Amino acid sequence: GAVVSQHPSWVICKSGTSVKIECRSLDFQATTMFWYRQFPKQSLMLMATSNEGSKATYEQGVEKDKFLINHASLTLSTLTVTSAHPEDSSFYICSAGDRGNYGYTFGSGTRLTVV
Amino acid sequence: QKEVEQNSGPLSVPEGAIASLNCTYSDRVSQSFFWYRQYSGKSPELIMSIYSNGDKEDGRFTAQLNKASQYVSLLIRDSQPSDSATYLCAAQGRGSTLGRLYFGRGTQLTVWP
Repeated sequence: GAVVSQHPSWVICKSGTSVKIECRSLDFQATTMFWYRQFPKQSLMLMATSNEGSKATYEQGVEKDKFLINHASLTLSTLTVTSAHPEDSSFYICSAGDRGNYGYTFGSGTRLTVV
Repeated sequence: QKEVEQNSGPLSVPEGAIASLNCTYSDRVSQSFFWYRQYSGKSPELIMSIYSNGDKEDGRFTAQLNKASQYVSLLIRDSQPSDSATYLCAAQGRGSTLGRLYFGRGTQLTVWP
């Protein structure tokens, strides 16, 4: 089945620094990738949808300049949290889909803690 | 109304019982539905998908879709303590949102020995 690899699995960073999270589709070409954020005891919140070779589409209320998404190839998307603050601490999860798979394969998630 | 709503829970059942999880959906989603299981601190794991009216069985899991009433449910038979997790109902978007999933808030299930 489809495998999505996400790294790192956890990261601690200082306030004001930037953190990059990678999401790779290992055995299929991911034309579309989705980035979610999940706070404790809450459901998944879609942050943005990225299509290979084009700009990401951000959900309402998500700052595109703060959460930079790059989907330059069919197997890799990255999410960069710029100038991270403690309120950005959360569980970030990517999901990748190809033309027949509507984004239902998830990466293992990244636990971000900003101190 | 939100696209997908899960209002039940938390749910607690004894080992061996049937756990019943429900969700309703709006006209803003398509007819493709998914149930995910999420253990604490882990990412969601797909356990069932259903697209047609009626029941779909896979081992101890049965997904049910009722398009007339716009609800989808998940039954877990012979529940085990290892089934204790949060269960997320999701529906695929339609039109301009085709390809993205809309998630319910989740139902926390505890199976006690």
